[in-house]
Amino acid sequence: DSGVTQTPKHLITATGQRVTLRCSPRSGDLSVYWYQQSLDQGLQFLIQYYNGEERAKGNILERFSAQQFPDLHSELNLSSLELGDSALYFCASSVGDRDSETQYFGPGTRLLVL
Amino acid sequence: GESVGLHLPTLSVQEGDNSIINCAYSNSASDYFIWYKQESGKGPQFIIDIRSNMDKRQGQRVTVLLNKTVKHLSLQIAATQPGDSAVYFCALGEAGTALIFGKGTTLSVSS
Repeated sequence: DSGVTQTPKHLITATGQRVTLRCSPRSGDLSVYWYQQSLDQGLQFLIQYYNGEERAKGNILERFSAQQFPDLHSELNLSSLELGDSALYFCASSVGDRDSETQYFGPGTRLLVL
Repeated sequence: GESVGLHLPTLSVQEGDNSIINCAYSNSASDYFIWYKQESGKGPQFIIDIRSNMDKRQGQRVTVLLNKTVKHLSLQIAATQPGDSAVYFCALGEAGTALIFGKGTTLSVSS
């Protein structure tokens, strides 16, 4: 158990809908990262937040957004969902905001868009 | 941009054998390297890391080797066990960028 929690574990929805994925980082970690993992694909970095502020952006679509709250939990919002958005979404956390530090991953949310 | 590749997408070994999983990278500015293990239905789990000022680092049954000259990283697992069956990812870090992950090698261990 990494100490990172994610809810829900599974999510099934329809195209055009909007969903929110939630992540709680390890105790003491200030950075939260979001990744997308599609079938046969590696982990694609989406976005990072550090202590409530956006720190880095990766391949995140404009339909997707995230935020980190004062209690350091984070939410990833996915809107106007398309079939291709079906994937595993992982959250990771790390202590600080240095680029070269270990990230600890949560168990993921499996999103299926029908 | 940075690219991370693996030499083999799959590796099959017998229980008790040593396993070697390889990763090649392109950017010589990468200064931090991590190996993750991902079991089916779970999130990636940290195994071991190494910084660019080192060539070798050992953990429990695992060793990471870094060859900066040829930009090659490897993970060695000693006495591989069925519980080691998983997908293994290498990830690279560099100042000013997020971690970049390779596509993964699926390790299958047969008894």
